[in-house]
Amino acid sequence: GDSVIQMQGQVTLSENDFLFINCTYSTTGYPTLFWYVQYSGEGPQLLLQVTTANNKGSSRGFEATYDKGTTSFHLQKTSVQEIDSAVYYCAMRGDSGYNKLTFGKGTVLLVSP
Amino acid sequence: EAAVTQSPRNKVTVTGGNVTLSCRQTNSHNYMYWYRQDTGHGLRLIHYSYGAGNLQIGDVPDGYKATRTTQEDFFLLLELASPSQTSLYFCASSDGQHTEVFFGKGTRLTVV
Repeated sequence: GDSVIQMQGQVTLSENDFLFINCTYSTTGYPTLFWYVQYSGEGPQLLLQVTTANNKGSSRGFEATYDKGTTSFHLQKTSVQEIDSAVYYCAMRGDSGYNKLTFGKGTVLLVSP
Repeated sequence: EAAVTQSPRNKVTVTGGNVTLSCRQTNSHNYMYWYRQDTGHGLRLIHYSYGAGNLQIGDVPDGYKATRTTQEDFFLLLELASPSQTSLYFCASSDGQHTEVFFGKGTRLTVV
């Protein structure tokens, strides 16, 4: 079945540091890849979608890239701010239909001022 | 912005108890989902539905039932709650197969 592996459980940075989170995925079909962000007390919300066709997406200063060769995808931001502190999930929609998402375990990002 | 409303927001029940979590979306979305969120596991799909009366089994369905009574309403049922079902539950909805999935704010369930 579909699976997404997100190894970094927690990342602690200072403001203006560089952020890099990566995930790997496994599926038999042609996936669409996502990054979701969850702020305290809220549900997850879509941050970025990365289609395998164009290999890159960007939003709110975040950029997502995809490497088909290594079946991995990455989230990065050049200069994080304290307001970026949240949980970041990578996710994948496979070919099984119903618009189902398979999520990684999440990365807690803590940014200190 | 799509609205997904969950109730209650917090619930405490005893082992063996009967619990129903409710979800309503007001955007006429076809697809609705129930996920549970646990530290170290991320979000895992319990059940989902693509319309009233339809139910599909997700990845972690054991101990859960679900029912989609209308286009808007999707319920998650725990008939014999166990401490292992203590978790944060999220309902979500989407319009179609290649559209954004919108999440509610979650229901925190504690089984003592």
